[in-house]
Amino acid sequence: DVKVTQSSRYLVKRTGEKVFLECVQDMDHENMFWYRQDPGLGLRLIYFSYDVKMKEKGDIPEGYSVSREKKERFSLILESASTNQTSMYLCASSLPGTSSQNIQYFGAGTRLSVL
Amino acid sequence: DQQVKQNSPSLSVQEGRISILNCDYTNSMFDYFLWYKKYPAEGPTFLISISSIKDKNEDGRFTVFLNKSAKHLSLHIVPSQPGDSAVYFCAAISSNTGNQFYFGTGTSLTVIP
Repeated sequence: DVKVTQSSRYLVKRTGEKVFLECVQDMDHENMFWYRQDPGLGLRLIYFSYDVKMKEKGDIPEGYSVSREKKERFSLILESASTNQTSMYLCASSLPGTSSQNIQYFGAGTRLSVL
Repeated sequence: DQQVKQNSPSLSVQEGRISILNCDYTNSMFDYFLWYKKYPAEGPTFLISISSIKDKNEDGRFTVFLNKSAKHLSLHIVPSQPGDSAVYFCAAISSNTGNQFYFGTGTSLTVIP
């Protein structure tokens, strides 16, 4: 069964802290994604990666960085957390190739609160 | 700029009736479309998809219709059940940039028993 696991369901951090959100997939997918979900704004892409050590900026990369040292793991890093980064963060993975194969599988999400 | 739009933030439907969720897009290069369903405190799960070479795809109670000329797709759920209450997101992909999904803002469906 397809599985994308996010290390934390809930996190509370203080302004200025460095925050790591971890995501692991067991499907041998090349592509991995980080989104944030906010009310009225839907899912917005922060970063994605189509191979180990490769990364591409999404629509809202400011204030974030990512790391992909292994195929199965994709980390999102908030270098200095701010209150406007309070959100639900969702990780996803997919195969590359034609559109018909591009179903993204999501983790359960991490609800981050920055105080 | 939002390339995929869901203009109805919420929808309420009686159990057993039809639910129709709508989605509009602006990029004519999109050639594959998907619907995802999301329960609170869970990640979105894939529901149904359609290629731009088709105008309809059916899977049980769920049917997606695509009108390319209008750049519009819709998801029909018949009959609606209380367990269908969730947020529904449409998404679009272009073969030219196959890795990136463009999601709509979501429609919260409530099915009233």
